[in-house]
Amino acid sequence: NAGVTQTPKFQVLKTGQSMTLQCAQDMNHNSMYWYRQDPGMGLRLIYYSASEGTTDKGEVPNGYNVSRLNKREFSLRLESAAPSQTSVYFCASARLAGQASNTGELFFGEGSRLTVL
Amino acid sequence: DAKTTQPTSMDCAEGRAANLPCNHSTISGNEYVYWYRQIHSQGPQYIIHGLKNNETNEMASLIITEDRKSSTLILPHATLRDTAVYYCIVRVAGQGNEKLTFGTGTRLTIIP
Repeated sequence: NAGVTQTPKFQVLKTGQSMTLQCAQDMNHNSMYWYRQDPGMGLRLIYYSASEGTTDKGEVPNGYNVSRLNKREFSLRLESAAPSQTSVYFCASARLAGQASNTGELFFGEGSRLTVL
Repeated sequence: DAKTTQPTSMDCAEGRAANLPCNHSTISGNEYVYWYRQIHSQGPQYIIHGLKNNETNEMASLIITEDRKSSTLILPHATLRDTAVYYCIVRVAGQGNEKLTFGTGTRLTIIP
């Protein structure tokens, strides 16, 4: 059981380049999330998806696009990378809170470390 | 979702109980309190959650005040491996469309 898998783990981009961060979960979770974490800071929500086919903006969506490809996969795209997007990106997934036999906890991936030069 | 406030940092001696407070004064009746921790640069890890009763598991205890406006995470016998950033968040039960936000958390340092 792999849990939440993010690829790539490390990436260096030049300003203006584009790339997609991939995230997949094998726990049949409904909700998926993308967060960024800058050095010494907390997690900030970029986008989230309550279910397949739906996405919503979080706290810091500018400069990003997302796709909920299916229930398992939720990708984050940087169309034109900027140095301000240098960060560690975390993907997470969860079932609905409060359901029987379900803690509703978030499961996080190991993170993708992105540097934009 | 309600916002939470936590102290920026705390120290605790190894072997002692670490008590981490969290204020969530605008919490709604159907919102759970969740605690996570993040060690180094790893992804955050779930610790415990509760609605209104105190909860205990193998990692920690969660004490929620009667008015539910604040809670305390207790690590009963802190070890050096408990040095981490601890996040308190609230989450509505049964709601899938959740804008789950984390604050800056509390940086707990366990001192030998």
